[in-house]
Amino acid sequence: LAKTTQPISMDSYEGQEVNITCSHNNIATNDYITWYQQFPSQGPRFIIQGYKTKVTNEVASLFIPADRKSSTLSLPRVSLSDTAVYYCLVGGGDKIIFGKGTRLHILP
Amino acid sequence: GAVVSQHPSRVICKSGTSVKIECRSLDFQATTMFWYRQFPKQSLMLMATSNEGSKATYEQGVEKDKFLINHASLTLSTLTVTSAHPEDSSFYICSASSGQLTDTQYFGPGTRLTVL
Repeated sequence: LAKTTQPISMDSYEGQEVNITCSHNNIATNDYITWYQQFPSQGPRFIIQGYKTKVTNEVASLFIPADRKSSTLSLPRVSLSDTAVYYCLVGGGDKIIFGKGTRLHILP
Repeated sequence: GAVVSQHPSRVICKSGTSVKIECRSLDFQATTMFWYRQFPKQSLMLMATSNEGSKATYEQGVEKDKFLINHASLTLSTLTVTSAHPEDSSFYICSASSGQLTDTQYFGPGTRLTVL
């Protein structure tokens, strides 16, 4: 299972774009990259998933370079309600192992 | 779509009793369900993986006789914490996927277990 490395914490301000980068050097050919958001005392919520290049949905974008050894979650114009822990996960539909995640704190 | 529910959301029990937690996929068939445990300020720890109709696969260090998992149908998995003790107090979260290679795991809202 690919191990992921993310910054432990990040601070940003309301209205800014936030980019969280995750390293996954030993990602396997069949692995997909998935990002989740978790608020205290809640289950993780799916944000976005991708395999290569760029994926965009209504809440975020995911950038994956050609070597797939890292990925960047981009949150446009964050608000206070985006304060949460963000997890980058790598896997292929079977079990996934959570890393420590990135604690994002949005300031007014 | 892809909604997973858990019941109960919160349970308090006495030491030595058993507690059952249900996990349901409401709008899709979950061939695979996962159970996690999360302690305060920590990440999720995978406890076991269950496939419908077969025995669960437990992670190293997780006692299968203490944490009984049943995945009897494509929409329901249960976790029973037997003879619970205070150190079992934690936040238990299930997830479900349809088991496809690219499939996403969708998580339930979690169950807060407090053992007195």
